[in-house]
Amino acid sequence: DVKVTQSSRYLVKRTGEKVFLECVQDMDHENMFWYRQDPGLGLRLIYFSYDVKMKEKGDIPEGYSVSREKKERFSLILESASTNQTSMYLCASSFRGVEQFFGPGTRLTVL
Amino acid sequence: QQPVQSPQAVILREGEDAVINCSSSKALYSVHWYRQKHGEAPVFLMILLKGGEQKGHDKISASFNEKKQQSSLYLTASQLSYSGTYFCGTDLTGTASKLTFGTGTRLQVTL
Repeated sequence: DVKVTQSSRYLVKRTGEKVFLECVQDMDHENMFWYRQDPGLGLRLIYFSYDVKMKEKGDIPEGYSVSREKKERFSLILESASTNQTSMYLCASSFRGVEQFFGPGTRLTVL
Repeated sequence: QQPVQSPQAVILREGEDAVINCSSSKALYSVHWYRQKHGEAPVFLMILLKGGEQKGHDKISASFNEKKQQSSLYLTASQLSYSGTYFCGTDLTGTASKLTFGTGTRLQVTL
């Protein structure tokens, strides 16, 4: 079974802090994604990566950056967290764009 | 732009049928359907490719009308286990990698 794990289920940070969200997949997938999920807005793509060190902006990249130094790991970085970044963050991976496998999510609260 | 899903929410009794629609203002290469149960990660249901095909997954099937840029998900003889939020993900680039998800349709099946 494909497994996508995220470093934390719940995270509380203060405004202005630098926040790292980590995602690891164990199936050698090329593609990895970061989404945020908010009530009434569905899943919105922040960034995705189609290979190591390769990344592409999604629909809402402002305020975020990403890093992919190893194939299995994809990190989402909030350079200076703000309250409007309070959300559920979901990581996913896929092999050449077919089925995406999602992690359990990280619920981030920025105070 | 996010595809529009309708209805936003629906309540069914066990055994009843439902249809969830997904409509895009842009040309689509494929449509992907996911279901997210409460407190869980989204799970892939099926992918519909260009060609107007219809696919099935147990008693859940879907169609894709590429001319109308619409897809519909059909849930037949619903079961309690069908409860959750259904998302359509639209492929606007032809890569099937980067998806734009709709805002979701919440389905509740009751006894």
